[in-house]
Parts: sequence; C-alpha cells; structure tokens
Amino acid sequence: IQMTQSPSSLSASVGDRVTITCRASHGIFNYVAWYQQKPGKVPHLLIYAASALQSGVPPRFSGSGSGTDFTLTISSLQPDDVATYYCQNYISAPVTFGQGTRLQIK
Amino acid sequence: EMQLVESGGGSIQHGGSLRLSCVASGFNFDDYAMHWVRLAPGKGPEWVSHISWNSGSIAYADSVKGRFTTSRDNGKNSLFLQMNTLRAEDTAMYYCAKARELLDDAFDIWGQGTMVTVSS
Repeated sequence: IQMTQSPSSLSASVGDRVTITCRASHGIFNYVAWYQQKPGKVPHLLIYAASALQSGVPPRFSGSGSGTDFTLTISSLQPDDVATYYCQNYISAPVTFGQGTRLQIK
Repeated sequence: EMQLVESGGGSIQHGGSLRLSCVASGFNFDDYAMHWVRLAPGKGPEWVSHISWNSGSIAYADSVKGRFTTSRDNGKNSLFLQMNTLRAEDTAMYYCAKARELLDDAFDIWGQGTMVTVSS
C-alpha cells in the first residue's frame, strides 16, 4: 500500500492553521499514524488510529480521515512545530510511510 | 521512563555483515511487538522488519528479505537485526521501535538510532 503525502514542503506563519494530507492507494480503515521528526531528532508519534492523540501531544494537533484519505491539522502553528511530518499505514506488513512534509515558519 | 538503545552500527564494505542490537528498559519488553525502521538521507522512513512478542510472527520488507534476520531475547530485553550481504542502498540510520499495543499498530517509542554506512 502506497502512501502519497502532500505537500512535500510548506511554509506558514505563526498562528496559521496548517493541513497536511495523505492518500492511501487502497482502503486502510483508520490504520494511520502521524509522526513528527525535528532536525537531528528521533521520529515522535503524534496521532494513531487516524484521529487519536498520543499522550503528551499538544491538542493543537489533530487527525482525521478513514479509508484512503487522511489529514493532519495543526490548529495554530507554533515555532516549535518546525519539523518534517510523516504519515504511516500500519494495517499489515509491510508498513509504509509517506515521503514527508517539511514544515517551516515564514 | 521507557527507553530503547541501539548499538552495532558502523562502516562496512559492500557484501559485509553487521549485527544491530536494541536494549529496552522501562516497560515489559516481552509484552510488545518490535520493529526495525531505517531512514536514508533525503528519504522517508522505510520499515524493515517486525517481530511479535513471542517471535511467532516475523516479517521483512522485500528489499531486505533473505539478507536480514530479526530476533529477540525477552530474557535480556533485547532485539537484534542480523544484516548480511550488505549493499550501498542499505546505508541509513536504523531505529528500533516499539509497537503501541498490537503487532499492527503505531510505533510509540523509538530508539536514538544507529548509523550503518555501506561503501562499495
């Protein structure tokens, strides 16, 4: 199952609402996770089961979707959110990831 | 604190072998499936392998099948990745990651990674 993520890069202002999308090549119910990877750091789980917020993650992050189309939203962009974001399909092996969205601050 | 610590990476020539290790602490290691994931420079993450809590289910990406072997020792809270016949395209940072609850689940804990560089 391929995960097509867009955009590949994004620049937005502090306080903006930011949306990243991911499309699966086949229906995967809600077996989608979103990760944040800051430069030089380890990937960090933000969202699992398409919309469940991982413990400790700020509530400005949210996820939605089911089937083939999924969205990660940051409701109010903060400087600390500069990172690359990846979607992941984990319905079964092989697990697949999107190619990533590099998010920067204007 | 839940923690994973990888080791065993390094520089190796094409065709060589390496064995990566991942030691877990802060959680009941034998309750959880574990995964290996790699990130090559400029590319998205690539899942490499998984192993269920009891080693009853082991799977590999097509790109490593027949060359890599995943195993675990629950008594030592350890996960292993034996990598043989290494190729230049195996060059990447390798991470072990814990499945959140089930085998088919998100990865909630990642190690800090160990770098593997394969030269031709």
